[in-house]
Amino acid sequence: GENVGLHLPTLSVQEGDNSIINCAYSNSASDYFIWYKQESGKGPQFIIDIRSNMDKRQGQRVTVLLNKTVKHLSLQIAATQPGDSAVYFCAEISGNQGGKLIFGQGTELSVKP
Amino acid sequence: EPEVTQTPSHQVTQMGQEVILRCVPISNHLYFYWYRQILGQKVEFLVSFYNNEISEKSEIFDDQFSVERPDGSNFTLKIRSTKLEDSAMYFCASRDENLRQFFGPGTRLTVL
Repeated sequence: GENVGLHLPTLSVQEGDNSIINCAYSNSASDYFIWYKQESGKGPQFIIDIRSNMDKRQGQRVTVLLNKTVKHLSLQIAATQPGDSAVYFCAEISGNQGGKLIFGQGTELSVKP
Repeated sequence: EPEVTQTPSHQVTQMGQEVILRCVPISNHLYFYWYRQILGQKVEFLVSFYNNEISEKSEIFDDQFSVERPDGSNFTLKIRSTKLEDSAMYFCASRDENLRQFFGPGTRLTVL
């Protein structure tokens, strides 16, 4: 079945450190994943995506890694800043044509100054 | 940069009343979505819409819910007779040609 979940509900890091947020999925047929950032009272904000034919994708200060062998996804944030404090969700796109997103529970990232 | 917009930002209604939540998707997108998020929980899919018809809906999207694209820019979610458990944040999203979905700021629906 389809299941996207996160290992840790909260993560606290020191400003300037790197953050790693993890996500597991159970549907081996999943072929597209997105990381979203959600600040309090706002909608999910697109961060970065990755397709199953890639292992790694880099953006500005963010890197997504995909390990299809163990069905694991991670988001790495370099030099974490206070403005990175938010809840981070991974989402899987279902293989059907409609393309609905299946979200995990989310990890709350807190950055200590 | 184009954004998805939603109105109102907050809607308070009495149980049993009808509400219409409005969205303006990004103009060149073709797929549109409604999701909801109950406080403290994950975002849940409600319905997807393409070519003026529903392409998929979840179990949550029962016959009390409907969607419409009344013109070339608006996309609406109607709840015919609201229940207490409909209280949530409702997010509209639209999708680009690369499958990336972009979300609006949400409407907070409070049913009393």
